[in-house]
Amino acid sequence: DTGVSQNPRHKITKRGQNVTFRCDPISEHNRLYWYRQTLGQGPEFLTYFQNEAQLEKSRLLSDRFSAERPKGSFSTLEIQRTEQGDSAMYLCASSPSTNYEQYFGPGTRLTVT
Amino acid sequence: AQTVTQSQPEMSVQEAETVTLSCTYDTSESDYYLFWYKQPPSRQMILVIRQEAYKQQNATENRFSVNFQKAAKSFSLKISDSQLGDAAMYFCAYGGGGADGLTFGKGTHLIIQP
Repeated sequence: DTGVSQNPRHKITKRGQNVTFRCDPISEHNRLYWYRQTLGQGPEFLTYFQNEAQLEKSRLLSDRFSAERPKGSFSTLEIQRTEQGDSAMYLCASSPSTNYEQYFGPGTRLTVT
Repeated sequence: AQTVTQSQPEMSVQEAETVTLSCTYDTSESDYYLFWYKQPPSRQMILVIRQEAYKQQNATENRFSVNFQKAAKSFSLKISDSQLGDAAMYFCAYGGGGADGLTFGKGTHLIIQP
């Protein structure tokens, strides 16, 4: 069990550029979650997949954000036309069942300059 | 919508002593889960302990235990025999009510004094 992995770990981009992050969940977990965490705050839920189906999206997920999990394994989170307010840690978590117990990856820290 | 409140932004405890971190939540659901997560500096979130709302018995994991008061909607974490490695941000989280994402509090920064 290698745990949840995320790449890249750090990303610096200029405002207006597009960025894409990848999450690889624990292999037997069929549920995958994305969160955003800003400094001094707890993680905020963005979206959730069960297998390849995106079942829930937070109102925080603006039209510039899109997430996919094409084969029910890894997932990508894309942010288009980045803004300085998008600077945050983006966390991915996976879960094996409906008991809400989620295992987190190390996160991708995004800095928009 | 569910909310989670951690009223202690920072707590400090001497090594080997006991500390209790507070958490309250608001929900209209009867079936849900509660969690404490630990986030060391620059490291990933680690699940410390979980509690199912339908269980009356408080969860315990080694030096970590909870005091779950369902009627009061309170879920505190007690850390016994504090160790330097316990220093971290601690987040209380709620799961349930048909929302599949967890709702987190703002966290408590725990400092362990040697």
